[in-house]
Amino acid sequence: DAGVIQSPRHEVTEMGQEVTLRCKPISGHNSLFWYRQTMMRGLELLIYFNNNVPIDDSGMPEDRFSAKMPNASFSTLKIQPSEPRDSAVYFCASSRGQTDTIYFGEGSWLTVV
Amino acid sequence: RKEVEQDPGPFNVPEGATVAFNCTYSNSASQSFFWYRQDCRKEPKLLMSVYSSGNEDGRFTAQLNRASQYISLLIRDSKLSDSATYLCVLNNRGGGFKTIFGAGTRLFVKA
Repeated sequence: DAGVIQSPRHEVTEMGQEVTLRCKPISGHNSLFWYRQTMMRGLELLIYFNNNVPIDDSGMPEDRFSAKMPNASFSTLKIQPSEPRDSAVYFCASSRGQTDTIYFGEGSWLTVV
Repeated sequence: RKEVEQDPGPFNVPEGATVAFNCTYSNSASQSFFWYRQDCRKEPKLLMSVYSSGNEDGRFTAQLNRASQYISLLIRDSKLSDSATYLCVLNNRGGGFKTIFGAGTRLFVKA
């Protein structure tokens, strides 16, 4: 079975540019999560969706970050404009229900220079 | 106080050693608990769930102590391949649903 699929795997961009990260959750999973991981702050939950509806976006750092889930098989996390402090690994994850095992994608490694 | 606290380590142990990690949590409403493993430059993956009665999976044993609000992971007969970061994870249901990840404990197993 296909796992959570993320793209791009790696991105290097210049400060001020727009970054769009994409995610395809595991088929049949109703919950989707976006996490950010850095050495300093560890793994942080940015936002999660249940049945395509954003439930908790309190972890989104600021207005430069936005996330959408237009259908059950696709989600995006957008950063506009990007800043060097946004450099991190961004993980998308999904689970069958809100309290079920969370499965992570391989991550999108973002570097903003 | 952080919702989940782990000793960051690193723990450096020889092959064959037994090593134990603890994780404390502050929210008594926490309902389910897990240990995840994360290899260097990889995504976190579920290692095992943690049940109230304690559970074992091969060389790995997980325990939950609700009274003292901690969970533990014991690894027996450590292998080089056990070198990774181990993340304590819990689900809180009080005031809505939330999954909390600990910062992780790094383990290095040496030959």
